[in-house]
Amino acid sequence: EVQLVESGGGLVQPGRSLRLSCTASGFTFGDYAMSWVRQAPGKGLEWVGFIRSKAYGGTTEYAASVKGRFTISRDDSKSIAYLQMNSLKTEDTAVYYCTRLGQLWTYFDYWGQGTLVTVSS
Amino acid sequence: DIQMTQSPSSVSASVGDRVTITCRASQGISSWLAWYQQKPGKAPKLLIYAASSLQSGVPSRFSGSGSGTDFTLTISSLQPEDFATYYCQQANSFLFTFGGGTKVEIK
Repeated sequence: EVQLVESGGGLVQPGRSLRLSCTASGFTFGDYAMSWVRQAPGKGLEWVGFIRSKAYGGTTEYAASVKGRFTISRDDSKSIAYLQMNSLKTEDTAVYYCTRLGQLWTYFDYWGQGTLVTVSS
Repeated sequence: DIQMTQSPSSVSASVGDRVTITCRASQGISSWLAWYQQKPGKAPKLLIYAASSLQSGVPSRFSGSGSGTDFTLTISSLQPEDFATYYCQQANSFLFTFGGGTKVEIK
């Protein structure tokens, strides 16, 4: 059974940093691209970014709203994906979901339960 | 960036009704469209990918159609467990965007 478990959320002040982790199980983690999607309280879904598998260079893509501030990385030996968030803003407050990208990297076939990040002074 | 416009933003329906939700892309996206269902306090769940392919385990009352810029999600006979918010999502050039969501409520 595929499982994605996020951790690392919490309350952080504006301008500070936070790192989220996504621990995967139930599939060969290194074979898949992984992505982060967020949802502000009471709002819709917003894609944050994704990381390709090592077979495709392990390169990353980001939404314009987080590019230059957020970094996605992966440790295939531990089956963990990370989201490093720097220079956080109040508008980054959201539930952050870790997702697995499906075939052809065009949809998100599995989602974690999410972790809440609150950016506030 | 490609914008996704869903309509309606909400719909009231009864058990057994046929419900149709539409999603329009601001430019052509071939068939690179997915649909998700989200219940309150839960993560989204994939229903449909590649515009019309049913994800494993999803009931056959859900179906998707369309290509290019106009897409449709249809629930053929609404069940009590289908009351939720539905989102479309496009993938183009490794950038992803979601529609604003459609809340399906009990009439």
